Amino acid sequence: SYELTQPPSVSVSPGQTASITCSGDKLGDKYVCWYQQRPGQSPVLVIYQNNKRPSGIPERFSASNSGNTATLTISGTQAMDEADYYCQTWDNKVFGGGTELTVL
Amino acid sequence: EVQLVESGGGLVQPGGSLRLSCAASGFIFSNYWMSWVRQAPGKGLEWVANIKGDGSEIYYVYSVKGRFTISRDNPKNSVYLQMDSLRAEDTAVYYCARDGTSLDYWGQGTLVSVSS
Repeated sequence: SYELTQPPSVSVSPGQTASITCSGDKLGDKYVCWYQQRPGQSPVLVIYQNNKRPSGIPERFSASNSGNTATLTISGTQAMDEADYYCQTWDNKVFGGGTELTVL
Repeated sequence: EVQLVESGGGLVQPGGSLRLSCAASGFIFSNYWMSWVRQAPGKGLEWVANIKGDGSEIYYVYSVKGRFTISRDNPKNSVYLQMDSLRAEDTAVYYCARDGTSLDYWGQGTLVSVSS
């Protein structure tokens, strides 16, 4: 079965850039989505079709997907961005294990 | 405004059954696939099943095939998840989500606990 691998945790200082990776076999051939889940809340879509932002998602969220790795980038990270982030491949609906982003 | 409201969760014994419901509003329900996604306590997200807008296509994750059944009632703007032969490992918060180019709207979730 297809697997997506994310680092369990990433730390970033406020105002700096955070990068969260998601790796999978030939991932660049697939559409990838990214979801943010704050503690105690439902997931929220932040990126779809590799690099598109839904309305209402700040421009500091961007993403790319090439080769075997997709990357979510948060520029000028804010305290409110502290959350778990999950990647997902669209064709087979598989989720990565999630990355806990700490802003400190 | 798109809204998804799940209901039907609760405590059930191993081997038991439960039916989850998700009431949708704010969009043309029949135009969209709908998905169920679950999250075990302290764990990550797992996609469970989805159903096409007209109900003609249905897919499941391997671990629930033959035990769970997804269905929908478009006049009632609702999607359901019938869960039979429940196991302890099915314990999770179950979310319904609108399934377009992504899971772009999610409900608040309903907790299913399978325990004796």
